[in-house]
Amino acid sequence: GDSVTQMEGPVTLSEEAFLTINCTYTATGYPSLFWYVQYPGEGLQLLLKATKADDKGSNKGFEATYRKETTSFHLEKGSVQVSDSAVYFCAPDTGRRALTFGSGTRLQVQP
Amino acid sequence: KAGVTQTPRYLIKTRGQQVTLSCSPISGHRSVSWYQQTPGQGLQFLFEYFSETQRNKGNFPGRFSGRQFSNSRSEMNVSTLELGDSALYLCASSLYVNTEAFFGQGTRLTVV
Repeated sequence: GDSVTQMEGPVTLSEEAFLTINCTYTATGYPSLFWYVQYPGEGLQLLLKATKADDKGSNKGFEATYRKETTSFHLEKGSVQVSDSAVYFCAPDTGRRALTFGSGTRLQVQP
Repeated sequence: KAGVTQTPRYLIKTRGQQVTLSCSPISGHRSVSWYQQTPGQGLQFLFEYFSETQRNKGNFPGRFSGRQFSNSRSEMNVSTLELGDSALYLCASSLYVNTEAFFGQGTRLTVV
């Protein structure tokens, strides 16, 4: 079945630091890939997505590139802010069933 | 455009009781999925409905059930509550199956 491996958290960074959260997946076929973010006390929000190989999704300064050869979709941001503190979830969607989420990576950004 | 609305936001129940959670999807969306989120297990898929039909079901016991109405609103029911059912229950709606999912804020269920 589909599965996702995300880097363990929490990830603690200082403001303006560079962020990378690794995500690799196992899925049949050619899934669409999503990153969702969950702020404290909230549900999940779609952060960005990519629907085919080599596509780059981007939003709010975050980027992730669909790498079919390495089955990866790493999330990056050049300069994090305190307001980026949240839990980030990687999720492939093969279209055959509901989303399979990674375990989530908690990001803590310190001023 | 109103987002996905889940009610209630918070709920406290006693072991052995049953509970019903409600989800109103975004207007026009016909697919609703439910997830359970716990610190230990993360986000786990419960079930997915489209046009009043359950399309997929996760690996949860039969105590967990759901349904979808003709207006696409969905409910999930948990009977004979256990302490381990304490979780954040998230509902997501999408226009059709396999299109972008929009999540509600969730219902925080505490079983005591």
